[in-house]
Amino acid sequence: GAGVSQSPRYKVAKRGQDVALRCDPISGHVSLFWYQQALGQGPEFLTYFQNEAQLDKSGLPSDRFFAERPEGSVSTLKIQRTQQEDSAVYLCASSLAEGPATYNEQFFGPGTRLTVL
Amino acid sequence: AQSVSQHNHHVILSEAASLELGCNYSYGGTVNLFWYVQYPGQHLQLLLKYFSGDPLVKGIKGFEAEFIKSKFSFNLRKPSVQWSDTAEYFCAVNAVDSNYQLIWGAGTKLIIKP
Repeated sequence: GAGVSQSPRYKVAKRGQDVALRCDPISGHVSLFWYQQALGQGPEFLTYFQNEAQLDKSGLPSDRFFAERPEGSVSTLKIQRTQQEDSAVYLCASSLAEGPATYNEQFFGPGTRLTVL
Repeated sequence: AQSVSQHNHHVILSEAASLELGCNYSYGGTVNLFWYVQYPGQHLQLLLKYFSGDPLVKGIKGFEAEFIKSKFSFNLRKPSVQWSDTAEYFCAVNAVDSNYQLIWGAGTKLIIKP
């Protein structure tokens, strides 16, 4: 299929471990978003890329969170020294939007469920 | 700060019942409004959206929503639900001058009894 894919689907980490979550957006989609969804809550914005440029990282909860999209397609969200409060589903979405002035539908991946023990 | 509230976290209905899920947002400017649905084991997918024009918008699977600007509301409705509508429903708002950010409600889990 041509949808957004994420890997791994499930990740269990011991507290203090580093994790890397991958997102493959829909081919040709310019914009890419990361969200964090805690249990029983709606998604919360983490960061936004337009091509390889990270235009907004205001939602990243701490400096332990880092995201990159070096070639403007695949993106990786890295969490260093994981804590129990990082346990959540991490969603990736992409859209065709070519500029921030136009809102385009965001297409979501299946998410990565991170559990920190 | 902008926020979105969904009034019910859980709703249980019988098949053929009518559905209305509430969504209110706090933002005084121009907004784009969305309802997303997540069926069990599946991705979030767009159900319907409002950008401008007719405040009554129709989406997939017989769903519709009405934007009432004076009430800051965007309630989702369906006249007769089916068992296959069992899912979690999320309301989301994009403040136009914030461009791309979506602010989400906490979701409503809808269970339809066959």
